[in-house]
Amino acid sequence: GAVVSQHPSWVICKSGTSVKIECRSLDFQATTMFWYRQFPKQSLMLMATSNEGSKATYEQGVEKDKFLINHASLTLSTLTVTSAHPEDSSFYICSARDAQRAPPGELFFGEGSRLTVL
Amino acid sequence: QQQVKQSPQSLIVQKGGISIINCAYENTAFDYFPWYQQFPGKGPALLIAIRPDVSEKKEGRFTISFNKSAKQFSLHIMDSQPGDSATYFCAPHSGNTPLVFGKGTRLSVIA
Repeated sequence: GAVVSQHPSWVICKSGTSVKIECRSLDFQATTMFWYRQFPKQSLMLMATSNEGSKATYEQGVEKDKFLINHASLTLSTLTVTSAHPEDSSFYICSARDAQRAPPGELFFGEGSRLTVL
Repeated sequence: QQQVKQSPQSLIVQKGGISIINCAYENTAFDYFPWYQQFPGKGPALLIAIRPDVSEKKEGRFTISFNKSAKQFSLHIMDSQPGDSATYFCAPHSGNTPLVFGKGTRLSVIA
């Protein structure tokens, strides 16, 4: 089945630094990828929709200057948390759909990246 | 993101019992009704999904039932096992739109 790889799986950083998380679709092309954030014991909240070759679409309340998203190719999207603060500590999860599959449906998820900001 | 209501929030089931989780939605444009399973520290994974042209789909111990008129669908886990203990999310959607997740149901299967 389709696989989405996310890296790193966990990262600890100092407050004020920036952290980049990569999301790759390993065996399919994904024109669209989605970034979610999940706090402990809560549901996944959509942060933004990443579109290959164009600007990401951010959900209301998500700071686009803080969470930089780049989708430079059909298999890679990156999320950069800039000037991270302890409140940014969370579980970040990416997902992607196979653009070739019709009808569209199943969303494949990465394993998630646990960010801890000290 | 309040289009989806999932219940119960938590569920404790004896091993061998039946686990039932429900999802109610509002958007009649939804055409794909999946259930995702998530273990602690992992990303969610598709468990089973149904399209609105059928009312029920069974895959092993997992059955999804769909009631279009009531705008509800449910997940039934037969012969529940401790390994089924996880958080389950419904995430109905349509086309290429992103998934809007329910709040999740934390299932604990006890021996």
